[in-house]
Amino acid sequence: NAGVTQTPKFRVLKTGQSMTLLCAQDMNHEYMYWYRQDPGMGLRLIHYSVGEGTTAKGEVPDGYNVSRLKKQNFLLGLESAAPSQTSVYFCASSPRQGSSSGNTIYFGEGSWLTVV
Amino acid sequence: AQSVTQLDSHVSVSEGTPVLLRCNYSSSVPPYLFWYVQYPNQGLQLLLKYTTGATLVKGINGFEAEFKKSETSFHLTKPSAHMSDAAEYFCVVSVPYSGGGADGLTFGKGTHLIIQP
Repeated sequence: NAGVTQTPKFRVLKTGQSMTLLCAQDMNHEYMYWYRQDPGMGLRLIHYSVGEGTTAKGEVPDGYNVSRLKKQNFLLGLESAAPSQTSVYFCASSPRQGSSSGNTIYFGEGSWLTVV
Repeated sequence: AQSVTQLDSHVSVSEGTPVLLRCNYSSSVPPYLFWYVQYPNQGLQLLLKYTTGATLVKGINGFEAEFKKSETSFHLTKPSAHMSDAAEYFCVVSVPYSGGGADGLTFGKGTHLIIQP
C-alpha cells in the first residue's frame, strides 16, 4: 500500500541548477499539494492542483513550477535553485476539497533538498 | 482568514505522565481542526480530526482532543506518555470550502514533544 511516494528523498544541488521532484499517489485522489517545511515555520503551501491538468499558486510559489499531466503525478520543479530553497519538501494528496470537507490529507515521507 | 497558534514550541514530560499540547485558533466561520504527528524523518500522519458533532475526539495511539468553541482551543491530550510518542505535533485549522483553492488549510508551527525516561 504505497500511498504518496516522493522521489528523490535526498538531493544536493548547486546554486543555479535545476531539478524536479516527483510525487505519485495511488489513491485516485483529485487534489495534490506541495509543501515546504522549515524550522519554526510549520508547513507552507507552495503549489497545489485540484485535478489533472490544473495547478494553482499557494502561499510561497516563487521560484517553483509544477505540472499535473496525469492524475496520479504532481511534479515540482526548481528552475534555478537558490540556497533559500534548502528545505524539506512534502507532497500530499486528498480525495477532493482537502480538509475543508473533513477529508484527510495524506502526506509523503518528504524530500530533503540542500542547495549549496 | 484563519490562524492557529501552538502555544509551546517544546514540551517535555516523563514517561507515564500526562501529555498536554496546546492549540488555539481563530476563524470567522466554524472551522475543521486536525492534529498531525510527524516522527523523525517521516511525513505527517493524521492523529485525529474534528469536523462536526461530538466535541471530544479520540484519535490513534491513545490521543484525544476537545474542541472548545468558547475558548477557541483544540488541545491535544494523552493520559500516559510513552517513549514512542516523541515526535513533532502540528495543529491544523481549515475553514469550509468557499471556492477556489486549497481550502485555507493553515498549519501551526509545531510542538516538539520530548519524553524523558
